[in-house]
Amino acid sequence: GESVGLHLPTLSVQEGDNSIINCAYSNSASDYFIWYKQESGKGPQFIIDIRSNMDKRQGQRVTVLLNKTVKHLSLQIAATQPGDSAVYFCAENAGGTSYGKLTFGQGTILTVHP
Amino acid sequence: DGGITQSPKYLFRKEGQNVTLSCEQNLNHDAMYWYRQDPGQGLRLIYYSQIVNDFQKGDIAEGYSVSREKKESFPLTVTSAQKNPTAFYLCASSIDRGIPYNEQFFGPGTRLTVL
Repeated sequence: GESVGLHLPTLSVQEGDNSIINCAYSNSASDYFIWYKQESGKGPQFIIDIRSNMDKRQGQRVTVLLNKTVKHLSLQIAATQPGDSAVYFCAENAGGTSYGKLTFGQGTILTVHP
Repeated sequence: DGGITQSPKYLFRKEGQNVTLSCEQNLNHDAMYWYRQDPGQGLRLIYYSQIVNDFQKGDIAEGYSVSREKKESFPLTVTSAQKNPTAFYLCASSIDRGIPYNEQFFGPGTRLTVL
């Protein structure tokens, strides 16, 4: 999972395995969460989002789970492929007047071995 | 082809010089953002703008300046007052417009190296 510090958490998996990436958020007022994927030297790409009135949302090969009680978010990737290798960030939005303003987590490096 | 463009991709400057990074979007988004990313780190917000002619400081605004004269453009100036300017700079935009739950779309980034 993500943590404060200079070294990003890493996750190594074999191709075809399922991956779970975790994120702890700190603001109990946050009501919208996004997972982004960032490949080396590129800008982050949107993967999936979830609102605080939900605890699970599924996309294509990805599922996001939200546990507001413990302020925890996870991203599950099914049948992980080498192309999934990247840094994954969670982001939270605290709502209010700055609807689009996001706070990003530290990131997790996912490496998929063929 | 809609999206966000940042130029140049790589930028080199001598210490003590100001440098301006370009960010343009044709998504008709109201809000635009600048982030800084250091190696092995997450994204830190420098400045953001929710509407033309208005912008707010983010978490690390010192040594940076921005302008928002047009909806499509949000240039970032890295001034000589920025102590450690070498980093990867990312621009993003979102619909905002008072609509909650809107994602940010990112440009490809500019890697600035100060020599």
